[in-house]
Amino acid sequence: DTEVTQTPKHLVMGMTNKKSLKCEQHMGHRAMYWYKQKAKKPPELMFVYSYEKLSINESVPSRFSPECPNSSLLNLHLHALQPEDSALYLCASSQGFGRSTTGELFFGEGSRLTVL
Amino acid sequence: QQQVKQSPQSLIVQKGGISIINCAYENTAFDYFPWYQQFPGKGPALLIAIRPDVSEKKEGRFTISFNKSAKQFSLHIMDSQPGDSATYFCAASMMNGNKLVFGAGTILRVKS
Repeated sequence: DTEVTQTPKHLVMGMTNKKSLKCEQHMGHRAMYWYKQKAKKPPELMFVYSYEKLSINESVPSRFSPECPNSSLLNLHLHALQPEDSALYLCASSQGFGRSTTGELFFGEGSRLTVL
Repeated sequence: QQQVKQSPQSLIVQKGGISIINCAYENTAFDYFPWYQQFPGKGPALLIAIRPDVSEKKEGRFTISFNKSAKQFSLHIMDSQPGDSATYFCAASMMNGNKLVFGAGTILRVKS
């Protein structure tokens, strides 16, 4: 079983809705990530948080808003999404981000988002 | 220069056979090369990883071969089983940042 828990597993939303995806890990990891994955494609990095601070934003549209309330939790707030934003959203964590880390990412099972 | 090229796109192997997936990279600053396995409806999971100071790493039926001069690495799955049917992604990153660059993925199907 994965040690990165994502909720909800499935989400359907209209283009005017506001919703949030949640991610939780209890491995003591200090880096957390959001990835977007389209069908039959590799995961694409969206955001990286290191020690609860945003380290990387891969030029993601502002309709996606990440939040890291504490070292165990990561949220992705969604507003005014487009149908092309429909995808599997994966959360991941790692020991750290940067030097002296193992580099291993632990992924959750993802939240399947459908935008109507 | 940040790309990792993966081949083949898909692979069908008989049960008990050897599955081979290849990746190539350009950026010589990459120093961590993991392979992730993803089953339908699940997130990717680390399968095996190698650093460029060794040419081969074996874990059970899974082996990574690494050729630093050719900037290539490959995954070999020995005695392939139907339960190995999944999508496999190679990746690369640098130790001073965990920003993984993924290959395009290989869909493996092992026929029983």
